[in-house]
Amino acid sequence: GAVVSQHPSWVICKSGTSVKIECRSLDFQATTMFWYRQFPKQSLMLMATSNEGSKATYEQGVEKDKFLINHASLTLSTLTVTSAHPEDSSFYICSARDRLGGYTFGSGTRLTVV
Amino acid sequence: KQEVTQIPAALSVPEGENLVLNCSFTDSAIYNLQWFRQDPGKGLTSLLLIQSSQREQTSGRLNASLDKSSGRSTLYIAASQPGDSATYLCATNTGTASKLTFGTGTRLQVTL
Repeated sequence: GAVVSQHPSWVICKSGTSVKIECRSLDFQATTMFWYRQFPKQSLMLMATSNEGSKATYEQGVEKDKFLINHASLTLSTLTVTSAHPEDSSFYICSARDRLGGYTFGSGTRLTVV
Repeated sequence: KQEVTQIPAALSVPEGENLVLNCSFTDSAIYNLQWFRQDPGKGLTSLLLIQSSQREQTSGRLNASLDKSSGRSTLYIAASQPGDSATYLCATNTGTASKLTFGTGTRLQVTL
């Protein structure tokens, strides 16, 4: 089946630094990937849609300058949290649409900003 | 705007019971519907994908049905096990590149 690999699974960073999260589709090409954020015991919140070779589409209220998305190839999208602050601490998950039209999710990244 | 609701919000059953999780959606013009499970602190695992032209899908002890006209899907879990304990999410999408609309989720606990 389709596999989406997400790294790192967890990261701790100091306030003010930047963190990059990678999302790879391992056995299929993904022209579109999606980035979500999830707070404890809450639903996934879509942050942005990542489009290969073009700019990402951000959801309302999501700061594009803080959450930089790059989709440079058909198998890789990255999310960079810039100048991270404690309120950016959260669980970030990516997904991609697979060959069957379903969505495959990464295992998520737990970001803690101290 | 699509709205997806899941009932019940939480469910606790003893091991071995058969159970049904419900998902309803307001816009029947869906491309497909997908059921996921999420374990605490983990990503989503896809369980079943039902295309709009299909009525049901089965995988092991899981069976999902889809009734587009009434805007409903059910996930049937047979002979539940403690390892089935997780949050179950249904999600719809309306096109080849559209976003998923998630349901509100059902938190399932299967006790020994």
